[in-house]
Formats: sequence, structure tokens, C-alpha cells
Amino acid sequence: AQSVAQPEDQVNVAEGNPLTVKCTYSVSGNPYLFWYVQYPNRGLQFLLKYITGDNLVKGSYGFEAEFNKSQTSFHLKKPSALVSDSALYFCAVRDNAGNMLTFGGGTRLMVKP
Amino acid sequence: EAGVAQSPRYKIIEKRQSVAFWCNPISGHATLYWYQQILGQGPKLLIQFQNNGVVDDSQLPKDRFSAERLKGVDSTLKIQPAKLEDSAVYLCASSSGLRNIQYFGAGTRLSVL
Repeated sequence: AQSVAQPEDQVNVAEGNPLTVKCTYSVSGNPYLFWYVQYPNRGLQFLLKYITGDNLVKGSYGFEAEFNKSQTSFHLKKPSALVSDSALYFCAVRDNAGNMLTFGGGTRLMVKP
Repeated sequence: EAGVAQSPRYKIIEKRQSVAFWCNPISGHATLYWYQQILGQGPKLLIQFQNNGVVDDSQLPKDRFSAERLKGVDSTLKIQPAKLEDSAVYLCASSSGLRNIQYFGAGTRLSVL
């Protein structure tokens, strides 16, 4: 069975500093990996995905994620955090044969001015 | 392009009552998903449709939950009878294909008292 772990319930960063939100996964075969963001009272918004190719994936709003196969990780990063980045972030995985997306428990990102 | 529409946004019911949620996917999206998101957790897939056929309902509690997508467009999710542990946000998502990016609606927040 596939699974996702987001080891941090909350990440606190100061505005302008770099941020990292961690994600590790377990899946059979090659993984398809996703990051979504959820703002209060809103649905999940797609940020970026890794299917194959370059290990550094660039997405919306200046976010990027680094795929590391040996560490089975897909950490979300941004060089300079904004207060408006404060939200709940979810990592998700799907194997290359299946259709079901499995989400992690989420990480709350707090960016302070 | 209009997003995924869900209604109602909020619903409060007493245990053992029935409730129904409605979802209208993005136009042209053949695949539709219903997720349950309990507070503090990531979304969990309940059921997945491809057009009007069920692809995966392995995590749907079929003794009380049902869903349909009769004409391959709109979908309804029903709970009958509701239990306290059904309190959650019910998210609908759609995609243009079984393995494509999923786009989420704002969700319906259900409180069972």
C-alpha cells in the first residue's frame, strides 16, 4: 500500500527566509508525486507535480520541490517566504499503475512578518 | 474556466439523520472524486467515477454512504444515517483523465451533533 509522511505538523519561518516543507513517501514502482496547498475554507489547490525527468520541479507561486529517489523524499521549497504563503500544505503520491491519490496529514506553514 | 462547484458549503445535522452533497465538476472532466477530510488529517478518497461508472469505491462505507453520477456530469454523495464520526469536510475533485491533475472544490463542511 502506498503512503505519505509529513513529519512536521507546523513549520514557522520569517518572511524573506527560505522555507522547506518535508515529505517522504512509500509506493510500489515509480512514484507520481504532488503538492497541494489549502487556504482556510477553500479546497486544495495544485502547486506542482513530479512524474519523471528533472529531479527539481518548479511550480506555482515560486514554489519548487526536489525529488530524491534514494531518500524517497519530495520536499517542498521556496527561496523567500511571503506572509501570504501561510496555509496548509499537502503532499500526495500515486503509483504509476494506479489511480488513487494518497495524501499526507498536512503541514501548516506559518510565515511571520 | 469555472472550477468545481459544491453545495451546500455548510451543513449541520443530528446523528441518524440523512444528508446529501452535490458536486458539479469542471466542464469536460470525465473523472470525478469524492474525498473525506477529517479535521487535522489529509483528504481520504471515498469514491472515484470515470464518466458514470465507478472506478474505485474500496474506502466508501457502503452501509451508510452512497454516491451516484447518473449522467456522467454532476454527482451526489449521500450519508444515511449519519454518525458523529462523519463530521468532516467533504471535497469533490475532477480531472480530465484518470491520472491527470485533480482540481478541488471548496468542500462541504458537515457537523453531526
